[in-house]
Amino acid sequence: AQSVTQPDIHITVSEGASLELRCNYSYGATPYLFWYVQSPGQGLQLLLKYFSGDTLVQGIKGFEAEFKRSQSSFNLRKPSVHWSDAAEYFCAVGKAGNMLTFGGGTRLMVKP
Amino acid sequence: GAVVSQHPSWVICKSGTSVKIECRSLDFQATTMFWYRQFPKQSLMLMATSNEGSKATYEQGVEKDKFLINHASLTLSTLTVTSAHPEDSSFYICSARGSSLGLGETQYFGPGTRLLVL
Repeated sequence: AQSVTQPDIHITVSEGASLELRCNYSYGATPYLFWYVQSPGQGLQLLLKYFSGDTLVQGIKGFEAEFKRSQSSFNLRKPSVHWSDAAEYFCAVGKAGNMLTFGGGTRLMVKP
Repeated sequence: GAVVSQHPSWVICKSGTSVKIECRSLDFQATTMFWYRQFPKQSLMLMATSNEGSKATYEQGVEKDKFLINHASLTLSTLTVTSAHPEDSSFYICSARGSSLGLGETQYFGPGTRLLVL
């Protein structure tokens, strides 16, 4: 069965600092990988996705993520965090035609 | 593109009543829609998967007679919480997966519906 682990439940960074959110997955084949962001009381917004090809993917809002097969990881990064980035971030894994499995989420707080 | 709406955004109801939540794909046809439940400060838990024109597939532990799902068209799925009780209070989120080129395997999420059962 597929699973996703986000080791950090909470992360606090200063505005302007760099950010990396970790995501590790367990899957029997090459998965489809996603990062979503959720603001309080809102639905999920897709930040970026990886299906195949270049392992460094660019997303919206200045985010990027790198798929590392050897480490079963798909970490999300941003070079300079803005206060508006404070939210809950979810990593998800899926396969063709099937459901997504979500990680537990990482809550990002941004200090002024 | 790929916008999903939900209605209502929040609802308060009395225990024992039924509540219907709508999920619509506004600018694409959704062959598959998913219903999730999210408790405070927790991740999303998949409740069921519905394909247009067929019966929904429920995850283990989800009562299909309590959470009725209908996917009558390629743009609309509904979740009805029947005989709601306070323990059904939660944040319900739908997502839709499109059939057209370019949307592929990506799920697009609605804004969620907060249900409070008194």
